[in-house]
Amino acid sequence: DTAVSQTPKYLVTQMGNDKSIKCEQNLGHDTMYWYKQDSKKFLKIMFSYNNKELIINETVPNRFSPKSPDKAHLNLHINSLELGDSAVYFCASSQDRVGWEETQYFGPGTRLLVL
Amino acid sequence: KQEVTQIPAALSVPEGENLVLNCSFTDSAIYNLQWFRQDPGKGLTSLLLIQSSQREQTSGRLNASLDKSSGRSTLYIAASQPGDSATYLCAVKGGADGLTFGKGTHLIIQP
Repeated sequence: DTAVSQTPKYLVTQMGNDKSIKCEQNLGHDTMYWYKQDSKKFLKIMFSYNNKELIINETVPNRFSPKSPDKAHLNLHINSLELGDSAVYFCASSQDRVGWEETQYFGPGTRLLVL
Repeated sequence: KQEVTQIPAALSVPEGENLVLNCSFTDSAIYNLQWFRQDPGKGLTSLLLIQSSQREQTSGRLNASLDKSSGRSTLYIAASQPGDSATYLCAVKGGADGLTFGKGTHLIIQP
């Protein structure tokens, strides 16, 4: 069983569209994250979320919004897609938000291409 | 603001050699440091996690060390194999937000 899964694996869309990426974890973790890996392969945190608090990286445009229907899911909604949004988006989870031992487990990534 | 630097950016060595990958970070107030492996077109696989109070962790042929006060970590790979070819990422956990990553070391092990 896949610990952290994402759908779709690939997403090709037109500029201006609205799209969503889904993430599910079956590890029973309390905290989930979204990361963006740009064309230069640099990974950067976008959101950190548990059922109590959402922490947003200040560089993330408000066109991006995480939605969590339950503890096991954290979906990423993107409005009015722009060319610069093309990247690989990774979902991750960990048991705690702040902890010395917590390992983050990553999904396989969603490759988004905006045309 | 935390910054993580990895040196070298790329490394190519013959099979069987021992090698060291370096990671440095600017803010020593961290909870832990993780080393990941990323294969082309794939997600990240966690290799080792070192808590801030620990000095090193070992898993098979991998050994990671941490010197928090100087803001440095190394990943030692013994007896390298072609299957070790990948990008190795260092990341630190500093607070309630996510990990801060370095840009990675692209490693090629020549058969």
